[in-house]
Parts: sequence; structure tokens; C-alpha cells
Amino acid sequence: AQKVTQAQTEISVVEKEDVTLDCVYETRDTTYYLFWYKQPPSGELVFLIRRNSFDEQNEISGRYSWNFQKSTSSFNFTITASQVVDSAVYFCAPNYGGSQGNLIFGKGTKLSVKP
Amino acid sequence: EPEVTQTPSHQVTQMGQEVILRCVPISNHLYFYWYRQILGQKVEFLVSFYNNEISEKSEIFDDQFSVERPDGSNFTLKIRSTKLEDSAMYFCASRGTAFAGELFFGEGSRLTVL
Repeated sequence: AQKVTQAQTEISVVEKEDVTLDCVYETRDTTYYLFWYKQPPSGELVFLIRRNSFDEQNEISGRYSWNFQKSTSSFNFTITASQVVDSAVYFCAPNYGGSQGNLIFGKGTKLSVKP
Repeated sequence: EPEVTQTPSHQVTQMGQEVILRCVPISNHLYFYWYRQILGQKVEFLVSFYNNEISEKSEIFDDQFSVERPDGSNFTLKIRSTKLEDSAMYFCASRGTAFAGELFFGEGSRLTVL
């Protein structure tokens, strides 16, 4: 079965701490895409990043960084120097459907950043 | 910046009533989706729509659900006879590219079935 696992249900950190959100996916497809979305308390779903299965180059964007390891089927997300505004639910969402773009969302990790 | 818009933002209905949720996708997008999120749970795929027909649907999307793109701009989700368990946030999304671009989500329509 093709699925995604976010083992961390809730994480609580103090502002300025670094935090890593884990994502492990499972697929037999050779071509797929991996996404991270953020859902702040206001409820909307905000796109953060997309990676394809051929691109294992990790990326840093400001305080965000991503670690894609195809060998371990993991696509982890790190926030450096967390801020209260980072408090949200973070979803890892692979797309196994090729051009149909159907995302399979993980259960999400609720991140609480306390001042 | 282009965005996906959804109406209503919140609808309360009685069990057994029909509900239509409306979405206006980003204008040059070609792929359209409905997802739902029961309070506190994960976001679940309902249906995808391309070229005026359903391209994929989940087990949740049974006969009481239907989608339509009646006029080239709106994309609607109809629930024929609502049940209590249909209470959820319903998200519309659209995507422009043919090969796995990101989905742009609307702000959601909260449906409460009493």
C-alpha cells in the first residue's frame, strides 16, 4: 500500500529552538513527488515545498530546510530558530498519482512554539 | 496573487438536506480537487476532476456526492442527502501544470450537519 507516516503527533518547543518534523513514505512507484503543507490555526492549507523523486538535493530556504533521503524513504522538515508564528499543523503529502496530482496527506504533526 | 475562493465559508444544515459547496479555482488551472478534513483529523482526498470529468475518486466519494463544473469557472461539490458524519471542512484545490505542480487550496467551507 502507498502511504505516508508522520510519527510525531505533537511537538512543543520553546521559541528559538530548532525542530525537525519527520515524514516516512511508502511507495513502489519510481516517479513521485513529495510536498509539505502547513495549516495554521486559521485553517487554510499553505504550500511549503515540493520535491520530485529524482532530486535528492536538500534545500535551505531561510529558516526552513528539508532533508530528502530516498534510500530511507524519508522527507524530513526542519525549522531553525523557531518562532511563535510557526505554530501550526504540518502535513507531509506525497503524490503517487503522477499527473493526476492526488496528494495523500499524513496525519500531520502539530507544532506548538511557546515564547 | 491568484487564489482559490470558496463559498460559503460556513454552512449549517439539517440531516438529509442537500448542500452545494462552491469553488472558483485559479483561472488558468486545469485540474481540480475536493478534499475534506473532519475536525482534528487528517486531510482526506475526495475527488479529482480534469477535462470535465472525474479522473479519480476515493471510497468516501460515494453516490451521495457529485461534482460539476457548470460554467467554466465554478467547480461545485454537491452532497445530496447530508449525514451527521459529513460534518467537516471541505477544501477545494486547483493545479495548473500537467505534471505534479503544487495544489493551491481555498480557505475551506465548514459544513455542520445537525
